[in-house]
Amino acid sequence: NAGVMQNPRHLVRRRGQEARLRCSPMKGHSHVYWYRQLPEEGLKFMVYLQKENIIDESGMPKERFSAEFPKEGPSILRIQQVVRGDSAAYFCASSPSGGVASRLGEKLFFGSGTQLSVL
Amino acid sequence: AQTVTQSQPEMSVQEAETVTLSCTYDTSESDYYLFWYKQPPSRQMILVIRQEAYKQQNATENRFSVNFQKAAKSFSLKISDSQLGDAAMYFCAYRSTGNQFYFGTGTSLTVIP
Repeated sequence: NAGVMQNPRHLVRRRGQEARLRCSPMKGHSHVYWYRQLPEEGLKFMVYLQKENIIDESGMPKERFSAEFPKEGPSILRIQQVVRGDSAAYFCASSPSGGVASRLGEKLFFGSGTQLSVL
Repeated sequence: AQTVTQSQPEMSVQEAETVTLSCTYDTSESDYYLFWYKQPPSRQMILVIRQEAYKQQNATENRFSVNFQKAAKSFSLKISDSQLGDAAMYFCAYRSTGNQFYFGTGTSLTVIP
């Protein structure tokens, strides 16, 4: 059973370009989370999605950032018109759906992250 | 919103010794889970241990154990018999009833041979 797959592993963009980060959750997982990690900092929540629904996007910047998790295919984190401050490691994590009783104990399964560098 | 605080940006421990990493959190919920994740230089996040809030007994996983003080909202991680492979960034995390995970800013652990 493959783990959470993120690609690309490294992404280099020039200022003003678009960055598209992909995340395929573990098989059977319908909850996807995106986090950003800046150097020497912790994981900052960005967005929580279920299939075809954005559940919580309170951590997403209001402009240039968007995320989706379609019925088919990977979850996509899209950053338009990137700036140098967007340079960071972006992590995707997934967890399985389940009944309320078991849900809280479910851990997050993390991908290896995408390192975005904006030149 | 829930917050998770790790007040030790860096810690070091001698190989084979014991070290404790601190974590406090703020919440008004009564039912939740707490986790410690490890992030080695490979950047892969690895679950170390988890604790259910309604359980009084502290969780233990081999050399890793927690000291969970619910009233004090404290969740420290103890690593016994530290090994070189334990060197990593350690993150404390809180999972709410709303299915949301909150992470602390991490503690960088150095193991001295």
